[in-house]
Parts: sequence; C-alpha cells; structure tokens
Amino acid sequence: QSVLTQPPSASGTPGQRVTISCSGSSSNIGSNPVYWYQQLPGPGPKLLIYKNNQRPSGVPDRFSGSKSGTSASLAISGLRSDDEAEYHCAAWDDSLSGPVFGGGTKLTVL
Amino acid sequence: QVQLVESGGGVVQPGGSLRLSCAASGFTFSSHVMYWVRQAPGKGLEWVALIGYDGSNKHNADSVKGRFTISRDNSKNTLFLQMNSLRPEDTAVYYCARDPYVKGTGGAWLDPWGQGTLVTVSS
Repeated sequence: QSVLTQPPSASGTPGQRVTISCSGSSSNIGSNPVYWYQQLPGPGPKLLIYKNNQRPSGVPDRFSGSKSGTSASLAISGLRSDDEAEYHCAAWDDSLSGPVFGGGTKLTVL
Repeated sequence: QVQLVESGGGVVQPGGSLRLSCAASGFTFSSHVMYWVRQAPGKGLEWVALIGYDGSNKHNADSVKGRFTISRDNSKNTLFLQMNSLRPEDTAVYYCARDPYVKGTGGAWLDPWGQGTLVTVSS
C-alpha cells in the first residue's frame, strides 16, 4: 500500500491531453513539493517534474505539473506513442523522515 | 556525465544476506545525499534508506529497520546497502539515486537514478 494514491492506469489517443492525479496528506504533499518521475521499460526512473511544476532541461513543455492542498496532478498534452510509460509521484513525508511515492500510473497510448 | 551503476544483486535464501553497491561518477559524490529505493514486481516505488553527504545522517524505512544498513565510502565514490535477515517480501529491483542539492538534507528530488539491480529472496 503506497503512501500517495495514484490511479493504476490511464490512457489516451495520440494528440489528446491526459491528466494523472496524486493524492496525499498534510505530512507530505500538503507541506512539501511534489516530484514526478517517468519510468520506461528497462532503465530506472527519470525526473520529469520537480518542485510541483518545474521541468528539467530536455523535458518537453507538453508535460506540466500542478499542486493544490494535499493533491497534485501531471498533465500530458499532445500525447505521443513514446509517452507510454509508468508515471510516479513523490513527496517528502515529515512524519516518516523520508520520500514517499505513489503506486505508479501506467499510461497507455491507444 | 553523472552516472550511477548498481551491482551485487542476486538470488538469496530467506534469512540470508546480500550487499549492494552503487558506483558514482561524473559529480562530487561526497557533496550529495544518496538514497536506495526499491520496486517489487508489479508494485510502485518504495524508499528504503538515505544517507547524508558525509555519512553522519542515516534514515531507514520502517520496513527494513534493524535489517538493512546504508553506508558510503566517499574516498571510493561508492554507496552500499547491507541487507541482512532477508525476507521474500524484500524481492525487488533496488535503485540508488542522488539528491541533486549540494550538501542538502534530503527530500524527494532524486536525480539521476541508476539502472537497478535485482534481488530475489527465495528458497
């Protein structure tokens, strides 16, 4: 059972906009920034969004993040077939003194 | 470029021990908090342990407390995870990851991650 809650799956067709939600509590998302990671089959996770809504260099602006209260979301616009991956949200948890993650959302591009 | 390469995974019987290593390159290893994160088959990511940049601050997840020990050798740019009293539920791919802040105190900003090493606990 993951500390943060994400839907297990999401899907969309090429060109569509998809959003993935991430729900937490006051000890994690409610008081700390949210991060999103993309995991393609094979290699380790890759940082996609940091500090709620910032994109590292090299990440297309089709990816955007937002946060409100104890929830966050990742939006992907102009969906492409190579966006098919698992997406994980994360935040520091003040009670656990460590980072906590969602269960991951597997995105399928139909 | 910044790179992390894990090694040491394998198959071990319940109750056994294993030591994972993570070789770092391309950055000043001694200036960064480091993490171990695992992913069980078909499951999400789970933080395992973190260690401060100078090794003085360590935290473990409750699920591994008293069994796993994180350590580092800054002279060899290497992170370790000593895993004792292994259980079947410890079966996972283990990743090492870096906190990009210089001399930070820890957070959920992990970048980059290694490619992972598979640990299988089974009789």
